[in-house]
Amino acid sequence: ILNVEQSPQSLHVQEGDSTNFTCSFPSSNFYALHWYRWETAKSPEALFVMTLNGDEKKKGRISATLNTKEGYSYLYIKGSQPEDSATYLCAFLHGSSNTGKLIFGQGTTLQVKP
Amino acid sequence: KAGVTQTPRYLIKTRGQQVTLSCSPISGHRSVSWYQQTPGQGLQFLFEYFSETQRNKGNFPGRFSGRQFSNSRSEMNVSTLELGDSALYLCASSPGQTGNTIYFGEGSWLTVV
Repeated sequence: ILNVEQSPQSLHVQEGDSTNFTCSFPSSNFYALHWYRWETAKSPEALFVMTLNGDEKKKGRISATLNTKEGYSYLYIKGSQPEDSATYLCAFLHGSSNTGKLIFGQGTTLQVKP
Repeated sequence: KAGVTQTPRYLIKTRGQQVTLSCSPISGHRSVSWYQQTPGQGLQFLFEYFSETQRNKGNFPGRFSGRQFSNSRSEMNVSTLELGDSALYLCASSPGQTGNTIYFGEGSWLTVV
C-alpha cells in the first residue's frame, strides 16, 4: 500500500514567521510530486509539480524542494501572512503511470496569526 | 478560461437512493479524475477518465461508477447510497499527460441521511 505522510498535521505561526512542512512518499517508482494549497470553501489550488530529484521550485514567498532518492519534499513559506492560512497537501504520482491517480497526504493545516 | 465546474454543489439524499454528480473540465482538457474526501480521511482517488475511457480506478466498491462523454464532461454515479458515502466529491481535470498540473473544482457536498 502506497502511503504519503505529511508533518506536522497543523501549525500555528505569527505573521512574519517563516515555516516549513514535510511530505514523505515512497522512494521507489517515483514519477511526480504535486503540492496544493486548499483554503476553506475553495478548490485546491495547484502550487507545484515536481518531477526531478533535486528540483527546487518557487512561487512568490513559497518554495519547495524534492529528494526522490530518500522520498521527501519540503515546502517553505517565507514571512508568513494571514492569507497563507490554508491546508497544504502533497500528492504522489507513482511509477510510469500517465494517469491522474494522485495519492494524497492528509495535509498540513497552517494558521497564521496577525 | 473557465475553471472546473461541478454540479450540484450541495445535495442531500436518503440511504438506498442513487446520486449522479457532474463535472465540466477546463476547455481542452481530456482527463477527468474524481476524488472523495470524508472527515478524517485524505483525498481518496475514485477513478480517472481520458478520452471517454476509464484509465485508472481506485479501491471503491462497484456502487461507484463514472463515465466521460465525447466533450470530456464527466459524471459519477453512486448507487444504493450508504451513510458512509457522505463526503465531499472533487473532480479534477488536466490535459492528460504525466506531469501536467491537475486542476480541481470546488466539489459537490453529498449528505446521506
